[in-house]
Amino acid sequence: DVKVTQSSRYLVKRTGEKVFLECVQDMDHENMFWYRQDPGLGLRLIYFSYDVKMKEKGDIPEGYSVSREKKERFSLILESASTNQTSMYLCASSSSGFSGRFNTGELFFGEGSRLTVL
Amino acid sequence: GDSVTQMEGPVTLSEEAFLTINCTYTATGYPSLFWYVQYPGEGLQLLLKATKADDKGSNKGFEATYRKETTSFHLEKGSVQVSDSAVYFCALDTGGFKTIFGAGTRLFVKA
Repeated sequence: DVKVTQSSRYLVKRTGEKVFLECVQDMDHENMFWYRQDPGLGLRLIYFSYDVKMKEKGDIPEGYSVSREKKERFSLILESASTNQTSMYLCASSSSGFSGRFNTGELFFGEGSRLTVL
Repeated sequence: GDSVTQMEGPVTLSEEAFLTINCTYTATGYPSLFWYVQYPGEGLQLLLKATKADDKGSNKGFEATYRKETTSFHLEKGSVQVSDSAVYFCALDTGGFKTIFGAGTRLFVKA
């Protein structure tokens, strides 16, 4: 069964701590994404990556960074967590398909990591 | 810019009732349209999609038709079940890397 696995389902951190969220996919997908999900706001894209070591900012990159050293793994880093980063974080992956770099559409999601920053 | 607007929830229905969740979009070009579903405690999963005007996506008794003239992609099901209780997201993809999601509509189905 194909899967996107997020390392932690629930985390509680203190303000100022460094936080790592890890995501692994087993579908050999080129593209990986980090979203945050907040009630009433839907999903907002933080960062994405279309290849190893490549990263692009999404709509809300401030306060976050990412790392993609291997094709199957995409990490989200909060350098200094703040209370307004309390949220559900969703990792997703997708295939580029035959046309190369572009997303063919369907996103495959992990189960999410609920982060609380105190 | 591109955007998706879907009806606010929550929507509460009795089992076997008819479901409609409205979704309209604004986009340049010819987007693909999607409905994703998020069951409690899980990530999102694709429910159905349509890639061009007048296409109908369907899955698990749910249907949605891509209406370019009204820029809509409303989700329907003829008879909902308790197990359909979830959050439903309408989304569009214009072929780049940024899928645009609506705010989500929570559905409660009562036995």
